[in-house]
Amino acid sequence: AQKVTQAQTEISVVEKEDVTLDCVYETRDTTYYLFWYKQPPSGELVFLIRRNSFDEQNEISGRYSWNFQKSTSSFNFTITASQVVDSAVYFCALRNYGQNFVFGPGTRLSVLP
Amino acid sequence: GAVVSQHPSRVICKSGTSVKIECRSLDFQATTMFWYRQFPKQSLMLMATSNEGSKATYEQGVEKDKFLINHASLTLSTLTVTSAHPEDSSFYICSARTSGGAQNIQYFGAGTRLSVL
Repeated sequence: AQKVTQAQTEISVVEKEDVTLDCVYETRDTTYYLFWYKQPPSGELVFLIRRNSFDEQNEISGRYSWNFQKSTSSFNFTITASQVVDSAVYFCALRNYGQNFVFGPGTRLSVLP
Repeated sequence: GAVVSQHPSRVICKSGTSVKIECRSLDFQATTMFWYRQFPKQSLMLMATSNEGSKATYEQGVEKDKFLINHASLTLSTLTVTSAHPEDSSFYICSARTSGGAQNIQYFGAGTRLSVL
């Protein structure tokens, strides 16, 4: 069975702080994809990253970085120097090859000025 | 720009009426489209998977007679909430998957916020 756990329900930080959102997944497949999406108050899902199971390289995109560790089945997301505009709900998701998305419960991030 | 268009973005209706939500893939053909429902402060839950030209596959607990899905073309899927009731009020999100290959990509619409009075 596939499962995605985001243990942090809500996080509040002050602007310019770094924050890490945790994601732990479960799957029996060897081929799978991991995703992070941002959902601002408008509701639209904003795609942030897709990582396949064979690529464990960490990735950095501006203030965003992702740490993929297969050994611990984790795909954590760090925002450096957070800004108010980063306030949103963030979803981690898993998709096995040819199958549907399984979304985590989401982490609500509030960045305070 | 958006590659999946969902319409309307917001709808308010009276209890007992039916509401149709459209999902269009704009720049690609989507043999498979998905419908999700998201209740406030909860995650997205898959309702059904629709394949062009065939009947939709519904997830357990989703009433197929209440949530009618039609995927008549490779670029359009519709979800009709029949005889809507206040408990159907939710955020509905569609998604379309590109065809073929291991790298097929799934795009999400902007969502439809349904409020049933």
